[in-house]
Amino acid sequence: NAGVTQTPKFRILKIGQSMTLQCTQDMNHNYMYWYRQDPGMGLKLIYYSVGAGITDKGEVPNGYNVSRSTTEDFPLRLELAAPSQTSVYFCASSYSTGGTNTDTQYFGPGTRLTVL
Amino acid sequence: GQNIDQPTEMTATEGAIVQINCTYQTSGFNGLFWYQQHAGEAPTFLSYNVLDGLEEKGRFSSFLSRSKGYSYLLLKELQMKDSASYLCAVLDSNYQLIWGAGTKLIIKP
Repeated sequence: NAGVTQTPKFRILKIGQSMTLQCTQDMNHNYMYWYRQDPGMGLKLIYYSVGAGITDKGEVPNGYNVSRSTTEDFPLRLELAAPSQTSVYFCASSYSTGGTNTDTQYFGPGTRLTVL
Repeated sequence: GQNIDQPTEMTATEGAIVQINCTYQTSGFNGLFWYQQHAGEAPTFLSYNVLDGLEEKGRFSSFLSRSKGYSYLLLKELQMKDSASYLCAVLDSNYQLIWGAGTKLIIKP
């Protein structure tokens, strides 16, 4: 049981390049999330998904896209990288019932992205 | 707007007790989480409070007062491995987690 895994661990992008951050969980969790964490700031929700085929915007979705074709995978796409997207990106998952979402979120190890 | 306040940094001595405070103003309240995050690592779950009072879990305890919009995390018998950031997060009316910036705890021998 690997939990939540993310790839790559580190990446440097040039302005305007694109990339996909991968996230996979093997806990059969229905909810999945993407956060970014900037120095001295709290985690900010980018996108989340309540199940396969369903995604929704979080607090800071601009410049990102997601898809959820399976329960296990929730990739995050950056289309035109900008320096403002330099951050640490965390994927998380939880198992929630009845839409209450009070259950613990489990985090992946993070992807450290630098855009130059 | 939604706001969660925590001290930026605290210092304590090995073996001592430290209390990390968190105050919040959010649109609705469906519970408060505390997470621990070591430098360069992912956050890991410590506690969840939804009712007023103290929840004890080994060396760690978490307290909640919903009427005051206040919580604290109490760490006893501090160990060097407790050096980390402690994140307070509140579930708002939409069941979204709103995160504080975290408190960096430095433990000195």
